[in-house]
Amino acid sequence: DVKVTQSSRYLVKRTGEKVFLECVQDMDHENMFWYRQDPGLGLRLIYFSYDVKMKEKGDIPEGYSVSREKKERFSLILESASTNQTSMYLCASSLAGINEKLFFGSGTQLSVL
Amino acid sequence: GDSVTQMEGPVTLSEEAFLTINCTYTATGYPSLFWYVQYPGEGLQLLLKATKADDKGSNKGFEATYRKETTSFHLEKGSVQVSDSAVYFCALRGGLIQGAQKLVFGQGTRLTINP
Repeated sequence: DVKVTQSSRYLVKRTGEKVFLECVQDMDHENMFWYRQDPGLGLRLIYFSYDVKMKEKGDIPEGYSVSREKKERFSLILESASTNQTSMYLCASSLAGINEKLFFGSGTQLSVL
Repeated sequence: GDSVTQMEGPVTLSEEAFLTINCTYTATGYPSLFWYVQYPGEGLQLLLKATKADDKGSNKGFEATYRKETTSFHLEKGSVQVSDSAVYFCALRGGLIQGAQKLVFGQGTRLTINP
């Protein structure tokens, strides 16, 4: 089975801190994604990557950056965390192609105080 | 732009009741449609999908039919179980960028089944 592992289940940070969220997948998937999940808003795409060092902005990239130095690892970076970035963050991965399904990690609940 | 609208939750039913969760979409062209499920403490998993009009996706007793004329993809199950308690997300594939599927999700519907 595909495994998508997010490094922390819960994270508490202070306003202005630099925050790193890590995601690792073990199935050699080309594509990796970062979503945030908020009540009443569903999932919104922040960034995705289709290859090592390659990235594309999603629908809400402001305040975030990403890094993909190795195929299996995709990091989400909050350069200066703010309270409106308190949310559940979900990582996903997939093979390239039109019919490939996404596999999700179990999420990181980030609280910014 | 593309969007997905789901029925407001939460939804609470008794075991063995009939379930419908409504989903409608707005999109250009002919998107593929999906239902994902999120069990407590877990990530989302693909439940079923349909890739063209009139297709019916099915899995674990759940079904959904792609209705182009009503732009809908309602999720149904004839007899729900306590283990079906979860959050359900309707989604469409908004495009393929560099080989990566860009999914647009609805807001999610929380379902609770009481014994």
